[in-house]
Amino acid sequence: EAGVAQSPRYKIIEKRQSVAFWCNPISGHATLYWYQQILGQGPKLLIQFQNNGVVDDSQLPKDRFSAERLKGVDSTLKIQPAKLEDSAVYLCASSLVEFPGRQETQYFGPGTRLLVL
Amino acid sequence: AQSVAQPEDQVNVAEGNPLTVKCTYSVSGNPYLFWYVQYPNRGLQFLLKYITGDNLVKGSYGFEAEFNKSQTSFHLKKPSALVSDSALYFCAVRSTFTGGGNKLTFGTGTQLKVEL
Repeated sequence: EAGVAQSPRYKIIEKRQSVAFWCNPISGHATLYWYQQILGQGPKLLIQFQNNGVVDDSQLPKDRFSAERLKGVDSTLKIQPAKLEDSAVYLCASSLVEFPGRQETQYFGPGTRLLVL
Repeated sequence: AQSVAQPEDQVNVAEGNPLTVKCTYSVSGNPYLFWYVQYPNRGLQFLLKYITGDNLVKGSYGFEAEFNKSQTSFHLKKPSALVSDSALYFCAVRSTFTGGGNKLTFGTGTQLKVEL
């Protein structure tokens, strides 16, 4: 079974530029997550989709970050404009559909390492 | 609010010795608990989870974890460490209380170093 795919693996940009990351979840996984992992910290959830609807985006800095999952499969995460503090690894994860009272395991992709100069 | 504490930034152990990586949590209601491992330049790999039932959970690569409700702990253990176990380990929690959403909260990670 293929895992979660992400691209690019690495990206270096200058502050105020824009950048986009792509994620392809495990086939059949209705739930997709984007996490930000700053060096020395655990991953922090940015946004969660169930199919093409947003479940939780409470920790997404909406003035500069946006994400979409138009057809309920692939997803893109965009930062515009980037700041120095956005330097981090951006992880995508997917799981089977979440139901109340049921916890599905999240499976992670390799991540995109972003460096903002 | 839910939280996870991993009190040790790094754990060193000799190969063949038992290892323990500590995790304590705080959550409203009952917890779902997870352990993930991260190798350099890789994403997180799922090791094991506690949902309900037996307090001792067995997972991948010979790892196990014990859920202790009174101590709000979920320590990761392995009877005999391997050099290849050297990696960054994350504990994560979410509440079974559906009104709180289903967001996983991760600890800051513990670097495990297994030496010959």
